[in-house]
Amino acid sequence: GAGVSQSPSNKVTEKGKDVELRCDPISGHTALYWYRQSLGQGLEFLIYFQGNSAPDKSGLPSDRFSAERTGGSVSTLTIQRTQQEDSAVYLCASTYAPPGTVGGYTFGSGTRLTVV
Amino acid sequence: DQQVKQNSPSLSVQEGRISILNCDYTNSMFDYFLWYKKYPAEGPTFLISISSIKDKNEDGRFTVFLNKSAKHLSLHIVPSQPGDSAVYFCAASLRGNMLTFGGGTRLMVKP
Repeated sequence: GAGVSQSPSNKVTEKGKDVELRCDPISGHTALYWYRQSLGQGLEFLIYFQGNSAPDKSGLPSDRFSAERTGGSVSTLTIQRTQQEDSAVYLCASTYAPPGTVGGYTFGSGTRLTVV
Repeated sequence: DQQVKQNSPSLSVQEGRISILNCDYTNSMFDYFLWYKKYPAEGPTFLISISSIKDKNEDGRFTVFLNKSAKHLSLHIVPSQPGDSAVYFCAASLRGNMLTFGGGTRLMVKP
């Protein structure tokens, strides 16, 4: 597709359940990022994939969070045993910029996660 | 420890006037700065950027100013239009690595 696609757009889940969020980046973009925006907060970095390199997981808030990127394309962010503080908009972005350069990110519309 | 801060959560401006959005950072090693605009229920979209070797970059109605000694950048929108009403995020990068974002400023342009 022409843009970054995220699914689902909205997800309501019960506390303690696991959720999977999906991101389809722009074809050919080698870098993929996950951020989240909690209510009234800025964009918080979670994880970064660049090509075949090991991902930068330094932003993941706890070991309940994990992410994969299969075949250098689609990425899945998994949150296990969800807590109410996990409620946020989860944003995925991709860029063509190779390491060491800065290219503008293209963001998806996000997944709004609500943990009840 | 926020490395990029936008101290004004909101700003209201009359149509036709100048909007000035401010951003401060703490890491003097940041070498690239960007502004993003976000409408409700949409992802942020890239607006304008500036390298640390410059102090000004202009694109149409949008100008970004960088003051490295003060670790401060600002976005000027002239003239402001109602369609500019959105949340604006500044972001900084270190040697092409992941962007660090500020908390955002909600701009409201009144007709």
